[in-house]
Amino acid sequence: DAGITQSPRHKVTETGTPVTLRCHQTENHRYMYWYRQDPGHGLRLIHYSYGVKDTDKGEVSDGYSVSRSKTEDFLLTLESATSSQTSVYFCAIAAGIQGSGNTIYFGEGSWLTVV
Amino acid sequence: AQSVTQLDSQVPVFEEAPVELRCNYSSSVSVYLFWYVQYPNQGLQLLLKYLSGSTLVKGINGFEAEFNKSQTSFHLRKPSVHISDTAEYFCAVQTNAGKSTFGDGTTLTVKP
Repeated sequence: DAGITQSPRHKVTETGTPVTLRCHQTENHRYMYWYRQDPGHGLRLIHYSYGVKDTDKGEVSDGYSVSRSKTEDFLLTLESATSSQTSVYFCAIAAGIQGSGNTIYFGEGSWLTVV
Repeated sequence: AQSVTQLDSQVPVFEEAPVELRCNYSSSVSVYLFWYVQYPNQGLQLLLKYLSGSTLVKGINGFEAEFNKSQTSFHLRKPSVHISDTAEYFCAVQTNAGKSTFGDGTTLTVKP
């Protein structure tokens, strides 16, 4: 257990509305990630952060933005939700200083449905 | 860029039989290799990882994997599976900053 909490765990929202998912960690890890999981696609990286106010895009970043104003919180925002963003979203952290070569620990997921 | 191919999307097997889940990867740089397991409605958990050294890696729950650099493979094996091993398994490669690329997953179903 790497002390990762995601909220909300389940959400249904309407197309065109903004949505923010929150990831909170209690162990002061530097590297944090947002992935989405869809059937047949495994997990795909949306955005990641390597420190406060330091973020970068992953492979499926279009339509998403992130913010990290505190070490413990990493927010994922869908500015205007679309049905294609219906998915399960996982927050993750890399346990270690350098990021690479370290085990990735995942939160329990946030199920988002856009209707 | 790197990619991961899990060669089997579904693997059915009888209890106490051996199993191998296959993973091939490609990368232009050195990578670290991981296997994760996901039980229904949960996040992923680490099974094992290869960073360097011995190419045979042992993980939790009796799983092991062998890194083969020449074949760019990292296949997962277990000599005797249990019903409780039924889950989805993901192979992943990791490069700088801990960014991981995952395969599409293999669903292992263990039948009595």
